[in-house]
Amino acid sequence: EPEVTQTPSHQVTQMGQEVILRCVPISNHLYFYWYRQILGQKVEFLVSFYNNEISEKSEIFDDQFSVERPDGSNFTLKIRSTKLEDSAMYFCASSEDRGMSQPQHFGDGTRLSIL
Amino acid sequence: RKEVEQDPGPFNVPEGATVAFNCTYSNSASQSFFWYRQDCRKEPKLLMSVYSSGNEDGRFTAQLNRASQYISLLIRDSKLSDSATYLCVAYTGGFKTIFGAGTRLFVKA
Repeated sequence: EPEVTQTPSHQVTQMGQEVILRCVPISNHLYFYWYRQILGQKVEFLVSFYNNEISEKSEIFDDQFSVERPDGSNFTLKIRSTKLEDSAMYFCASSEDRGMSQPQHFGDGTRLSIL
Repeated sequence: RKEVEQDPGPFNVPEGATVAFNCTYSNSASQSFFWYRQDCRKEPKLLMSVYSSGNEDGRFTAQLNRASQYISLLIRDSKLSDSATYLCVAYTGGFKTIFGAGTRLFVKA
């Protein structure tokens, strides 16, 4: 079964540094998403991406964050000037279509630890 | 009011029991609904979609009541492997997906 893959599985970074989280969505999927989950809390929507542009973003997704699809397969989340509170699990997801009968498939996440 | 609200539990049930989870959503424009399960420190995995007509997949039955803005999940004949957190998810149109905080289930031998 095709799957969403994320790298790295764990990223440890000093506060103030920039990090790039990588995702390879399922190949025939057209819609891509990033979520975060702070330990012990719920999954929070960050951003959705379609046709090489952001479709929607949450209040969390401020100027510190950016997303990019640099080639035909990768989908990245960049976090600039990381803060302690950015420590969380970051999940990438993809879907064939948006919502309706097409659910999102999740990667197994990148655990980001900011020191 | 939270956009998607779930009883956090935990629900502690013996193997073989039937257990039901409820979820309410506040945005009447929400279009699609799903149940995901999440194991500790793992990614959410789709369990099933939820339709107004109700749908069943083996031991799992999901139901949607749009009038009451209420979604349910019924698990019959619980297995130890059903122990997880169950996430209620509402798709609100556009591209935004809202997760509930989850209901924790522990199935005991």
